[in-house]
Parts: sequence; C-alpha cells; structure tokens
Amino acid sequence: EAGVTQFPSHSVIEKGQTVTLRCDPISGHDNLYWYRRVMGKEIKFLLHFVKESKQDESGMPNNRFLAERTGGTYSTLKVQPAELEDSGVYFCASSQGVLTIYFGEGSWLTVV
Amino acid sequence: KQEVTQIPAALSVPEGENLVLNCSFTDSAIYNLQWFRQDPGKGLTSLLLIQSSQREQTSGRLNASLDKSSGRSTLYIAASQPGDSATYLCAVRPGSTSGSRLTFGEGTQLTVNP
Repeated sequence: EAGVTQFPSHSVIEKGQTVTLRCDPISGHDNLYWYRRVMGKEIKFLLHFVKESKQDESGMPNNRFLAERTGGTYSTLKVQPAELEDSGVYFCASSQGVLTIYFGEGSWLTVV
Repeated sequence: KQEVTQIPAALSVPEGENLVLNCSFTDSAIYNLQWFRQDPGKGLTSLLLIQSSQREQTSGRLNASLDKSSGRSTLYIAASQPGDSATYLCAVRPGSTSGSRLTFGEGTQLTVNP
C-alpha cells in the first residue's frame, strides 16, 4: 500500500514567486493534514481537511497560504507570494478517524 | 495552550545501551500521544501510539509509557543500535475527538555510536 506522497520533494524559489505543493494521502483516508517545520522550530499544524471540507484552518499563518483538496482526494498548498520566512519543510499527513497519523516525506521549500 | 517539551534535546550513547527519552505536556486533557522518528532529510515514521486510557505500548525494542495525570511520556529503547540514530518526536492530540491538530515537541536527536 502506498504511503502519503508529496511533490515536489525540494523546491528553491525567489521571494515573491508562487509555489504549489501537492499531497496524495493514503487511499481511503478521509483526514488530510498539513504541517510545517521552519528552521529551529517545532513542527506546527497548518490545517485539516475531512474529505474536501476544511475542518480546521486555524494554523494557517496568513492569507498568502491557500490549501485545497479536490474531490476529497489529493490536496495542494499554494504559497503566493512567497516570503523568506516561508522556508522550511511542509509535511502532509493522513489518517482514518482518530487513529495513527501517517506522514509523508515532506516538501523542502527554500525561498531566496 | 498545549506545550510539549522533550528532554534531552540531544543524546549520544554507545551501541548496546538502554536509553530513555522524555516527553512532557502541559495540558493533560489529551486523546492520545504518538511517538515518531525522523531520519535526516526524511519524513516522520510513526513508532507507537498510546491512547489516553492506556499506560504503555510496546513494539520490538521500543516501549512507550504514558502518565496522563502528570503530563509525561517516556520512550524506552532497549539494546540501542546505530540504526536507531535519528530524531525522535512526541506529539499529543487534544482530548476532544474533534480535535485534529497534533502538538509536537522539538525532538530529541539521538546518536548511537558503534
């Protein structure tokens, strides 16, 4: 069974540009989460989808971040325009119910 | 606001040693606690999940305990091996089943020397 997959694995963009990260959850998992870890800090929650609906987006830092989940399947996280402080690793995770949460390998974003 | 602290921040041990990693959390109203490992440049691998009603979980050489009332969890690794070298993270889920967010500690970076 395929795990949570994320694309791209690494991205380097200039300040002001746009980046879109994609996540494919484990098949059958209704819950999809985005987290991120910026340099020197702990991993922090961004938002939670249940199927295609946003259950909790209280962790989104500002309106430069937009997450979508098409048809309750894959999800995208767009950062527009990117700022230097957005650099870090963005993790996607999925779960079925409230049990174990499975994380992807992360998308490592560097804004220069 | 839930806060999770992991001690020590880094640990270096010789191969074969038994070791304990500590995790504490400020709000005892949790639903479950999960231990992860992260290898450099990689994602998070789930190791053990302990429900709030449980006291411990075991998987191979790993044993995780939970004392919810005191806000503490420990991860015990027996007979450590160089392949155990990684960052270990604990994360708690809030008490309401509708709570979705995990709150993470900053992790313990473990190095097992051959």
